[in-house]
Amino acid sequence: QVQLQQWGAGLLKPSETLSLTCAVYGGSLSGYYWSWIRQPPGKGLEWIGEIVHSEYTNYNPSLKSRVTISVDTSKNQTSLKLFSVTAADTAVYYCARGRPAMVRGPRFDPWGQGTLVTVSS
Amino acid sequence: QSALTQPASVSGSPGQSITISCTGTSSDVGSYNLVSWYQQRPGKAPKLMIYEVSKRPSGVSNRFSGSKSGNTASLTISGLQTEDEADYYCCSYAGTSTFILFGGGTKLSVL
Repeated sequence: QVQLQQWGAGLLKPSETLSLTCAVYGGSLSGYYWSWIRQPPGKGLEWIGEIVHSEYTNYNPSLKSRVTISVDTSKNQTSLKLFSVTAADTAVYYCARGRPAMVRGPRFDPWGQGTLVTVSS
Repeated sequence: QSALTQPASVSGSPGQSITISCTGTSSDVGSYNLVSWYQQRPGKAPKLMIYEVSKRPSGVSNRFSGSKSGNTASLTISGLQTEDEADYYCCSYAGTSTFILFGGGTKLSVL
């Protein structure tokens, strides 16, 4: 059974870089897309982006200029960096396994436990 | 591109059936049979309930079913139980520019 555990800094100042890591246990990164999704407090879900095969990435157009998603296959981890954060980036951030590599369409399962990141001066 | 449109709330009594709609456009829901649904209980991560419009992952109750007509996808929960009370989100593939869109979420109350 695949499980995801994520961690990273929970309090940032405006203009700093958000950095989160998600470790995959009980399975391999290979053969799947790995996504990051966020949820502002009391609001809905927003897809941030995804990565597969350590190099192919797709990003939400509204965040593309500020986001980098990467994987470290040696550690079975995926990471998210969001640059130049503002208060609008305050949210719970989730990692999730996406669809199999040769399949289209959203299929996020399982999810990490979520990390609340607050941006405040 | 805008989020998919869901009703803010729906309610039902135990044993009843309810349907949650998810309206998109011809660029997303209407063009692809690639809609998924997620259940989120307070303080928890979302859980996949339906993918590719109507497929259920292993372990999800057959009381949950999905369908699509035109630009609108639907999640139906039959035989409502108090444990079904949660927020529900739809999600659709939206092509190679936008990729993934979520709905705004629907709060289900089981009265």
